[in-house]
Amino acid sequence: DGGITQSPKYLFRKEGQNVTLSCEQNLNHDAMYWYRQDPGQGLRLIYYSQIVNDFQKGDIAEGYSVSREKKESFPLTVTSAQKNPTAFYLCASSLPREGRTGYTFGSGTRLTVV
Amino acid sequence: KQEVTQIPAALSVPEGENLVLNCSFTDSAIYNLQWFRQDPGKGLTSLLLIQSSQREQTSGRLNASLDKSSGRSTLYIAASQPGDSATYLCALLPSGSARQLTFGSGTQLTVLP
Repeated sequence: DGGITQSPKYLFRKEGQNVTLSCEQNLNHDAMYWYRQDPGQGLRLIYYSQIVNDFQKGDIAEGYSVSREKKESFPLTVTSAQKNPTAFYLCASSLPREGRTGYTFGSGTRLTVV
Repeated sequence: KQEVTQIPAALSVPEGENLVLNCSFTDSAIYNLQWFRQDPGKGLTSLLLIQSSQREQTSGRLNASLDKSSGRSTLYIAASQPGDSATYLCALLPSGSARQLTFGSGTQLTVLP
């Protein structure tokens, strides 16, 4: 079955450390997205990519970086510049707008600063 | 800027009751609207997708409607079950060039056995 795989499920980061969250999809979707979810604040867009080797900043990109070297993969790095990284991170993908199939989400990664 | 509101923030109902969750939005220029379910600590599961040209979509006990002129969508759940307990989110994709979903803050539903 096709879907989105996020790993790890839980991740702990020490102060000043960079960590990378993995997102892989086998849906043959062109577009991929990273969202951050905090209690009481809903989902906020961090970065998105509509095609390989191209990506755009979302609403809260500061302190994060991404790459899109393969269609299937869109890893997110949380850098030491992100001062409050503790949150639930969700990856999503979609076909181009003409696909009309909506967004598919992964199961999420919970990041905690220790 | 598109704003999406879901009221109530929390809802508790006895098992077997039919219920309606509301989603209102300020800009009617939408491409589609998607309803999701989120269980605690889990990702989002897509329930229904309504294109802007459609009025409603149905899947099993779920029915979602869309009224762009009034800026409203509703998710109707028939014969609710304890397994329906979750947070329900609506999200809109604008019809312009921006490809960013705008999410509501969700309605946390509890179905009591």
